[in-house]
Amino acid sequence: DAGITQSPRHKVTETGTPVTLRCHQTENHRYMYWYRQDPGHGLRLIHYSYGVKDTDKGEVSDGYSVSRSKTEDFLLTLESATSSQTSVYFCAISNLDRGSYEQYFGPGTRLTVT
Amino acid sequence: AQKITQTQPGMFVQEKEAVTLDCTYDTSDPSYGLFWYKQPSSGEMIFLIYQGSYDQQNATEGRYSLNFQKARKSANLVISASQLGDSAMYFCAMSRGSNFGNEKLTFGTGTRLTIIP
Repeated sequence: DAGITQSPRHKVTETGTPVTLRCHQTENHRYMYWYRQDPGHGLRLIHYSYGVKDTDKGEVSDGYSVSRSKTEDFLLTLESATSSQTSVYFCAISNLDRGSYEQYFGPGTRLTVT
Repeated sequence: AQKITQTQPGMFVQEKEAVTLDCTYDTSDPSYGLFWYKQPSSGEMIFLIYQGSYDQQNATEGRYSLNFQKARKSANLVISASQLGDSAMYFCAMSRGSNFGNEKLTFGTGTRLTIIP
């Protein structure tokens, strides 16, 4: 257990509304990631962070923004949700700052955009 | 660009038999990492095993071992003595190595393993 929580765990929202997903970690890890999981695609990286206020884009970043104002929180925002953003969203942390390469994932958030 | 290929969408294996899940990868980076994750029906992603591209020996973690064949660009997961609780989706993934800030993972599409009693 890497001390990662995600909120909300489930959300249904309408097309065009803004949505913010929160990832919270308790172990002061420097590196945090947001992935989405869709059938037939595995997991794909949306954005990642390598420190407070340091973020960068991943493979599928269009339509998403992130913020990290504190080490423990990494927020993913869908500015105007679309049906194509219906997915399961996973947050992850890297143990690289502890000298090992494992990435541990949060429990996931299931988002449905109607 | 990195790519992970898992060619077995599904597998059925008798309980207590060994299982090999296939994973091939493509990268031009000299340094990279290979990972396997398990996703049971409950949905969480569980880290199983890691292999670095410069590691001389195959990684092992309990009943899991990673059969790393660098020249063939394969990183198969071997589960010894399968159990009913091993039924799950399994994902192979790779990272771009040990550069700070570069531990982004590229995932394969997964293999669904079903263990038959």
